[in-house]
Amino acid sequence: EAQVTQNPRYLITVTGKKLTVTCSQNMNHEYMSWYRQDPGLGLRQIYYSMNVEVTDKGDVPEGYKVSRKEKRNFPLILESPSPNQTSLYFCASSLGSVNEQFFGPGTRLTVL
Amino acid sequence: SQQGEEDPQALSIQEGENATMNCSYKTSINNLQWYRQNSGRGLVHLILIRSNEREKHSGRLRVTLDTSKKSSSLLITASRAADTASYFCAITQGGSEKLVFGKGMKLTVNP
Repeated sequence: EAQVTQNPRYLITVTGKKLTVTCSQNMNHEYMSWYRQDPGLGLRQIYYSMNVEVTDKGDVPEGYKVSRKEKRNFPLILESPSPNQTSLYFCASSLGSVNEQFFGPGTRLTVL
Repeated sequence: SQQGEEDPQALSIQEGENATMNCSYKTSINNLQWYRQNSGRGLVHLILIRSNEREKHSGRLRVTLDTSKKSSSLLITASRAADTASYFCAITQGGSEKLVFGKGMKLTVNP
């Protein structure tokens, strides 16, 4: 089954404790991206990647890191999480930015 | 950020009625996409319309694009309770690989 998976689905952590949210897709897509969703603000793109080893900032990259060492995986790293990063995070993949995006189920992160 | 803006922000209708949602944007675009999200779940792609297209249909969905007015509309005909969801438009701008989403609008279809 074609899908995008994210782990964990729910995470409660404390300020400053490094964490990684994994994202994996099995559709051989070149384009992958991370979004955060906050009430009243819609989805905002954090980072995107057009291919292996090619990443670029979205609209809200501060406080986040990403890597794309393999085509299928695109982890999101929070080196020192802060409470303002409490949000619902979505990973998505597609053939390209102009194509249909396939979204993962979301990761609800709470930073205390 | 040149995100699309959906209008209205919320709409409540009765089952069987048509629902129209609008999206306005500020820059030139490559294409415009519409997505649906059910209560905190992942977004699901509905339809994509390219900048050189004016209208597309998919089942009960009809999307129009007016690049001179920088706006798009999504029409859902004969709505069902299962259409209750949030709807987002998303644009890709000329010369950019970013995909920019609007803030979304909430549709409630009452049985």
